[in-house]
Amino acid sequence: DAGVIQSPRHEVTEMGQEVTLRCKPISGHDYLFWYRQTMMRGLELLIYFNNNVPIDDSGMPEDRFSAKMPNASFSTLKIQPSEPRDSAVYFCASRTGGQNTGELFFGEGSRLTVL
Amino acid sequence: TQLLEQSPQFLSIQEGENLTVYCNSSSVFSSLQWYRQEPGEGPVLLVTVVTGGEVKKLKRLTFQFGDARKDSSLHITAAQPGDTGLYLCAGPEYGGATNKLIFGTGTLLAVQP
Repeated sequence: DAGVIQSPRHEVTEMGQEVTLRCKPISGHDYLFWYRQTMMRGLELLIYFNNNVPIDDSGMPEDRFSAKMPNASFSTLKIQPSEPRDSAVYFCASRTGGQNTGELFFGEGSRLTVL
Repeated sequence: TQLLEQSPQFLSIQEGENLTVYCNSSSVFSSLQWYRQEPGEGPVLLVTVVTGGEVKKLKRLTFQFGDARKDSSLHITAAQPGDTGLYLCAGPEYGGATNKLIFGTGTLLAVQP
């Protein structure tokens, strides 16, 4: 089975531009998480979905960030307009079931650089 | 806000040495997980501990969950270069009342051949 698939792997853009990151979770997983990783703050949870419905977006830094999950096999994280402080590695992860002891499966990440 | 503090932040050792990494919190966790992240990849689950005092072994890695379920440790025996990576502990927020998994600050391990 394919794992969590993210695209693009690398994105370099200029401040003010719109950035869209994409994620395909593992088939059958009903939870999807978006994390951001930086040296300063480590891995931070931005938002998570259950059965395509956003459950908690309290980690989304500000209104410039938005996330959608139109169906069970696709999610996007959009930043508009982007700023240099948004530079980070963004991870998508998926999991099955509601037990918090379940394994989180991560994608390889999207490394974003905003100049 | 629940925090998971890991120590040390960085560790550079020679192949064959033993080491211990710590994960501490002032909060009680219903369970804790350990992940390893290699450069350019996402974290991968190593183990989940759910019972206070529990010890789990994975080849040369030994994981322990504190009796009070506020801390955990990872001990590696005879480290090898393949053990190099970022080690992260993680636990469910608010005792599992939510589905949010929070991650520790991480320990970056480098094992020199």
